[in-house]
Amino acid sequence: QKEVEQDPGPLSVPEGAIVSLNCTYSNSAFQYFMWYRQYSRKGPELLMYTYSSGNKEDGRFTAQVDKSSKYISLFIRDSQPSDSATYLCAMESNFGNEKLTFGTGTRLTIIP
Amino acid sequence: DTEVTQTPKHLVMGMTNKKSLKCEQHMGHRAMYWYKQKAKKPPELMFVYSYEKLSINESVPSRFSPECPNSSLLNLHLHALQPEDSALYLCASSLTGQGDEKLFFGSGTQLSVL
Repeated sequence: QKEVEQDPGPLSVPEGAIVSLNCTYSNSAFQYFMWYRQYSRKGPELLMYTYSSGNKEDGRFTAQVDKSSKYISLFIRDSQPSDSATYLCAMESNFGNEKLTFGTGTRLTIIP
Repeated sequence: DTEVTQTPKHLVMGMTNKKSLKCEQHMGHRAMYWYKQKAKKPPELMFVYSYEKLSINESVPSRFSPECPNSSLLNLHLHALQPEDSALYLCASSLTGQGDEKLFFGSGTQLSVL
């Protein structure tokens, strides 16, 4: 079993829809949870950063962490064609000098 | 300045060539990273420098040789690469590299080995 599981998609939704992206994980030591957006042939860009359980909102983006279920989500409201990209979840423990563990990424296309 | 700058953006090299990838950041970060990313896969960690010292080497073949001349610069020297080394090479930086930190990535160098 991989440490982090993420549905690779591809996922296609019409413009304006709400998008839900998810990751599950097995390592209960993970405390820090991130979502990165990566456009084709570019480096990943940090979108959301969350510590422990709870919700965090930034504009059209909401990140949710449920540590009891080992499940994290990213919601995109009012999706735009510019949101078309690969979304990678990533997580890390707090033991110091630990590497980031990435999900495999979900390819998202927003159809105008 | 919140950028990590990588050069070149594209590189094509033969298996006998020697080349170098360069990375620069001016955010005052003291940890710098090299990642390798194959198409439709997540980034894979290769090396981490923390305070200019190599702190993580993920069992990378010796044909990849990292160098951190100072806290703002990171190089990756390439020699005798194989076609399977073709990938997007990403540089990243973070504040100290001691965990719970945000990673800032560059745009990458798309490497093709012929």
